[in-house]
Amino acid sequence: DAGVIQSPRHEVTEMGQEVTLRCKPISGHDYLFWYRQTMMRGLELLIYFNNNVPIDDSGMPEDRFSAKMPNASFSTLKIQPSEPRDSAVYFCASRGGPHPGYTFGSGTRLTVV
Amino acid sequence: AQSVTQLGSHVSVSEGALVLLRCNYSSSVPPYLFWYVQYPNQGLQLLLKYTSAATLVKGINGFEAELKKSETSFHLTKPSAHMSDAAEYFCAVVAGGNLIFGKGTKLSVKP
Repeated sequence: DAGVIQSPRHEVTEMGQEVTLRCKPISGHDYLFWYRQTMMRGLELLIYFNNNVPIDDSGMPEDRFSAKMPNASFSTLKIQPSEPRDSAVYFCASRGGPHPGYTFGSGTRLTVV
Repeated sequence: AQSVTQLGSHVSVSEGALVLLRCNYSSSVPPYLFWYVQYPNQGLQLLLKYTSAATLVKGINGFEAELKKSETSFHLTKPSAHMSDAAEYFCAVVAGGNLIFGKGTKLSVKP
């Protein structure tokens, strides 16, 4: 299994632009999580899905952030419009089975200038 | 709400010395607990997990952690540090189906 795949690995964009981060979870995993990591706030859960349905989006910072999971093998996290304070590493993770083993992707490092 | 507290944001040890990274959880009943490692500019890799089986859990790269209910602790140890162990280590707990992380402890290994 290739693990959780995120793209792109790095993204540099200008303030005000739309940014879309992508994630392919491990096949068969029924939970998908989006996390954000910053120096100031550490690792924060943004949103998670179960069987493609958003369960808890209370961690999404504001309406500029949105996430979708159109099918079991793909999810997106969109920021529109982006701001410099959105600069962070965004991780996707998936989980499946009776014991909660979470597998993380390599992350997308977003820089908004 | 479930949470974990990692004591010490930075720990420095000499190569060959004991590594001890501290983690305390908040609930009276031990939850599912994890230790993850993050090498510079990389993602999070699972070191080990406690899922209500044995209280002494062995992980990868020679690390282990022991659940102590009386102390609500799940400290991570390794008998002999290697230079390659330099990384950031995160303790995490499952809460409401989510994985909640501690603030992390950055481990430095001196030659």
